[in-house]
Amino acid sequence: AQTVTQSQPEMSVQEAETVTLSCTYDTSESNYYLFWYKQPPSRQMILVIRQEAYKQQNATENRFSVNFQKAAKSFSLKISDSQLGDTAMYFCAFMKLGGGSEKLVFGKGTKLTVNP
Amino acid sequence: DAGVIQSPRHEVTEMGQEVTLRCKPISGHDYLFWYRQTMMRGLELLIYFNNNVPIDDSGMPEDRFSAKMPNASFSTLKIQPSEPRDSAVYFCASSLTGRGYTFGSGTRLTVV
Repeated sequence: AQTVTQSQPEMSVQEAETVTLSCTYDTSESNYYLFWYKQPPSRQMILVIRQEAYKQQNATENRFSVNFQKAAKSFSLKISDSQLGDTAMYFCAFMKLGGGSEKLVFGKGTKLTVNP
Repeated sequence: DAGVIQSPRHEVTEMGQEVTLRCKPISGHDYLFWYRQTMMRGLELLIYFNNNVPIDDSGMPEDRFSAKMPNASFSTLKIQPSEPRDSAVYFCASSLTGRGYTFGSGTRLTVV
């Protein structure tokens, strides 16, 4: 079974600075997707970024980018120019490809606070 | 598109009562998922459907929980009888194969 580990329960960053959230995962699969989801206090789960394991290029979405290290099974999220609205829980998630399975396995989350 | 629609947003019920949570997925999505979120256990997958057929219900905690998807546009999660330990936020999500989920806004269930 796949597991996802987020080793930082809480982090804080000053507005306009850069912060990196860590995620590691354990799998024997070779084809999979990785995701970062954001959950602000409103509790809505919002997709931040997605990475296909077969792609070597790291995914980016505006101020959000990932550092995907397949051999190390590491998938960190970098938030540049942090904004107050980035304050939220961030969840890393794994999805195996194929076999008809679309299950997302989530980490426990990292609570990020952006300070003014 | 209105996104994934869940109702009710909040539910408070007494122990022993039946609770029904509802979900309308995004039109055209072929997967539907029910997750439960608690502080202690995080996000847990309860059950998921593919083309209205239940695929994996191994996360359903016990026989008090049941889920149905009678058509492509509607699903329910029922708890009967409810217990205080069922208090949690219940999320419904839908997806198109390989594209990642779109979540509903969740139902906060409180059983007193």
